[in-house]
Amino acid sequence: AQKITQTQPGMFVQEKEAVTLDCTYDTSDPSYGLFWYKQPSSGEMIFLIYQGSYDQQNATEGRYSLNFQKARKSANLVISASQLGDSAMYFCAMREGRVQGGSEKLVFGKGTKLTVNP
Amino acid sequence: DVKVTQSSRYLVKRTGEKVFLECVQDMDHENMFWYRQDPGLGLRLIYFSYDVKMKEKGDIPEGYSVSREKKERFSLILESASTNQTSMYLCASRRTVNTEAFFGQGTRLTVV
Repeated sequence: AQKITQTQPGMFVQEKEAVTLDCTYDTSDPSYGLFWYKQPSSGEMIFLIYQGSYDQQNATEGRYSLNFQKARKSANLVISASQLGDSAMYFCAMREGRVQGGSEKLVFGKGTKLTVNP
Repeated sequence: DVKVTQSSRYLVKRTGEKVFLECVQDMDHENMFWYRQDPGLGLRLIYFSYDVKMKEKGDIPEGYSVSREKKERFSLILESASTNQTSMYLCASRRTVNTEAFFGQGTRLTVV
C-alpha cells in the first residue's frame, strides 16, 4: 500500500493566485514527519517545509504553508501568491521510525507538476 | 553548507556489468538513502542506512545492494545491470534530529 498519496498529477494556477497541492499519508507510527520538496526542471531537490507529528501549529515558511490535518492524515501544501518560478514538480514525503536512534525511513509520493500561467 | 556529492552525473553501462554509484556527505549525518526516480512514479526508496555497516531494504531493493563502510559514504551497487535499471538515481542524507534531508545532484544511469 502506498504510504504517500498525491492525487493530482498536474495542477495549473494563474500567477499571483494561491494553490493547494494535496497529500495524504498512511502510518501507524505515532512519531513521524512530513516534508514538501520542489524539483524544478534543473533536477535539484529543494526543501520547502517540514511538519512534525507532534507539532501543535501548522508549519509556515514564507509563501509556503502546510495545512496539517492529523485526524484526516493529510498534509496539503499551500502556495500563496504564485510566481512563474514556482512551476516545478512538488513532492510530499514522510519520515517514520524512531527519532532517537534506529532506522528511519523516508518515503516520497509520485509528485504533482505545477504550472503557473502568466 | 551541507553537501551531498554523487560521483557521476551521467553514466552509461552495458547489460550485465557491475555498477557502483557513490554518494558522500560532509555533515556527519546518520541517515542516508538511495532512490530511483522515474517519470510518473516519483522517488522510490531502494535502500537506506542509519549507521556504519547498517542497512535496510526500501520498497524496491531487488537487483541492488548497498555498502556503508564509513559514515560519510553510501554506495549503491547494481550487481548485474539490466536495461530496466535505466533511471535517475538520487542519494540523500539527513541528521536524525534535523528536519530536512539533503540531496545529491543525481546520477542519470543508462544501461544499454
